[in-house]
Amino acid sequence: GENVEQHPSTLSVQEGDSAVIKCTYSDSASNYFPWYKQELGKGPQLIIDIRSNVGEKKDQRIAVTLNKTAKHFSLHITETQPEDSAVYFCAASKTGKLIFGQGTTLQVKP
Amino acid sequence: DTAVSQTPKYLVTQMGNDKSIKCEQNLGHDTMYWYKQDSKKFLKIMFSYNNKELIINETVPNRFSPKSPDKAHLNLHINSLELGDSAVYFCASSTPSGVGFAGELFFGEGSRLTVL
Repeated sequence: GENVEQHPSTLSVQEGDSAVIKCTYSDSASNYFPWYKQELGKGPQLIIDIRSNVGEKKDQRIAVTLNKTAKHFSLHITETQPEDSAVYFCAASKTGKLIFGQGTTLQVKP
Repeated sequence: DTAVSQTPKYLVTQMGNDKSIKCEQNLGHDTMYWYKQDSKKFLKIMFSYNNKELIINETVPNRFSPKSPDKAHLNLHINSLELGDSAVYFCASSTPSGVGFAGELFFGEGSRLTVL
């Protein structure tokens, strides 16, 4: 089955800096790659997603890139703010079942 | 108005007891899920129902039994609770999926189960 590896497990940046989180997946048939943000005491919430026919997608300060050949995708957050502090999960899917990465705890220091 | 609501939010119980967690969504979605999040934050799918029909059943012990009385509700009953069942359980519903990919998941706020 699909396996998703996510790195780093923790990331600390200064406010205003960029943050990058990387994921690799094992099943080359996976074709949908969402990113979820989980704030303390809340459920995860979708922040951006990308499908396999697209190499890059951007939404304001966040962007996702996908390299299907290498089977990896990344989340980029620019101009980080304290409210970006949360746990971020990548996921991969081909059949409607999402397989999540292990999560990255991002801390943005003011 | 909460989109996906689950109760209770906290549950503390003794080993061997039976407990239930309830979930309701008012988004009109056909598909609902239960996810388990362990102490290391790892999110793992347990079950998925589409319009009251079980479509995903991961390798979960038989002590866990989901029930969907209608497409807006998905409950989780756990028999003979064990220490390892301690986790946060998330209910979610999703928008219709496209061909071959999952729709957006809308999660509840989670139910933290502690087994003593």
